[in-house]
Amino acid sequence: GDSVTQMEGPVTLSEEAFLTINCTYTATGYPSLFWYVQYPGEGLQLLLKATKADDKGSNKGFEATYRKETTSFHLEKGSVQVSDSAVYFCALSSPNKGSYIPTFGRGTSLIVHP
Amino acid sequence: DAGITQSPRHKVTETGTPVTLRCHQTENHRYMYWYRQDPGHGLRLIHYSYGVKDTDKGEVSDGYSVSRSKTEDFLLTLESATSSQTSVYFCAISESKGSGTEAFFGQGTRLTVV
Repeated sequence: GDSVTQMEGPVTLSEEAFLTINCTYTATGYPSLFWYVQYPGEGLQLLLKATKADDKGSNKGFEATYRKETTSFHLEKGSVQVSDSAVYFCALSSPNKGSYIPTFGRGTSLIVHP
Repeated sequence: DAGITQSPRHKVTETGTPVTLRCHQTENHRYMYWYRQDPGHGLRLIHYSYGVKDTDKGEVSDGYSVSRSKTEDFLLTLESATSSQTSVYFCAISESKGSGTEAFFGQGTRLTVV
């Protein structure tokens, strides 16, 4: 079945540092790929997505490129802020019995210190 | 913000008692999902629905049942709660018109079984 593997956290950075959170996936067919973010006490919300190979999703300074050859969708940000502290989930969606059910990774906690 | 309301937001219950969690949406989305979130496991799908009275199991469905009698409501029932069902439960919705469709999440219900 489909699966998503992302690096374990927590990832601890100082403000303005460069961020990479690795994500790889296994899926049949051609899934769409997503990054969701969860702030403390809240539900998940979409951060960015890419629907086909070589697409780059971007939002709020975060970027991720859909790499079919390496089955990866790594999240990057050039300069993190304290307000970026959250849990980040990599996810995919591919057809299954006619439905597109999201499959999530385990989440990576990011802590940014001033 | 997508109109998704989960109730209750917090609940403490005793082992062996039945518990029902409610998810209500105002978006008229076809698909509704119940996930549980646990440390080290990320989000795992319990059950999902692809229409009124149409439901199917996810990867961790044992001990849970669901019902969807109206488009806007999706109920999750623990027939006889156990301590292993202590978790944070999230409802999500999507239109699922294709693999690139994002999911929208509720705020979560924190359930403690003592």
